[in-house]
Amino acid sequence: AQSVAQPEDQVNVAEGNPLTVKCTYSVSGNPYLFWYVQYPNRGLQFLLKYITGDNLVKGSYGFEAEFNKSQTSFHLKKPSALVSDSALYFCAVGEGGGNKLTFGTGTQLKVEL
Amino acid sequence: GAVVSQHPSRVICKSGTSVKIECRSLDFQATTMFWYRQFPKQSLMLMATSNEGSKATYEQGVEKDKFLINHASLTLSTLTVTSAHPEDSSFYICSAGWAEDGYTFGSGTRLTVV
Repeated sequence: AQSVAQPEDQVNVAEGNPLTVKCTYSVSGNPYLFWYVQYPNRGLQFLLKYITGDNLVKGSYGFEAEFNKSQTSFHLKKPSALVSDSALYFCAVGEGGGNKLTFGTGTQLKVEL
Repeated sequence: GAVVSQHPSRVICKSGTSVKIECRSLDFQATTMFWYRQFPKQSLMLMATSNEGSKATYEQGVEKDKFLINHASLTLSTLTVTSAHPEDSSFYICSAGWAEDGYTFGSGTRLTVV
């Protein structure tokens, strides 16, 4: 069975500083990895994905993530955080065709002035 | 890009009544749609996979008779919560599309059963 771990319930960072939101995964085959952002009472917005190709993936709003197969990690990063980045972030993994996604428990990102 | 519309965004119903939530793919055809449930401050749990023209595939522990799913067309899937009770109160989200596009999620439905 596939699984995702987001070890931090909350991450606090000052505006302008780099941010990292951690994600590790477990899957038996080749992983399909995704990051989503959720604002209160809203659905999920897709940020970026890794399916194949370069391990460093660039996505929306300046976010990027690095696929690390040996560490089974897919951490989300941004060089310079904005207050508007404050939201709930979910990492998800799919297997094979990626159809059935398993989500992590989410990490609340708080960016302060 | 792909757009998924979910309606209603918010619904309050009385205990014992049924509520229908619609999920539409606006600019693409979706043979498969997914229904998730999200408890407060928790993750999304896949409830079922909706298949156009056939029965939905439910995840383990999800009551098929309580959460009725119909996918009668290539652009519409509905989730009906039957005989709703307060414990069914939750945030329900649908999604459709393809892994290559990161999937597209509806804006969610906040169900409150009183």
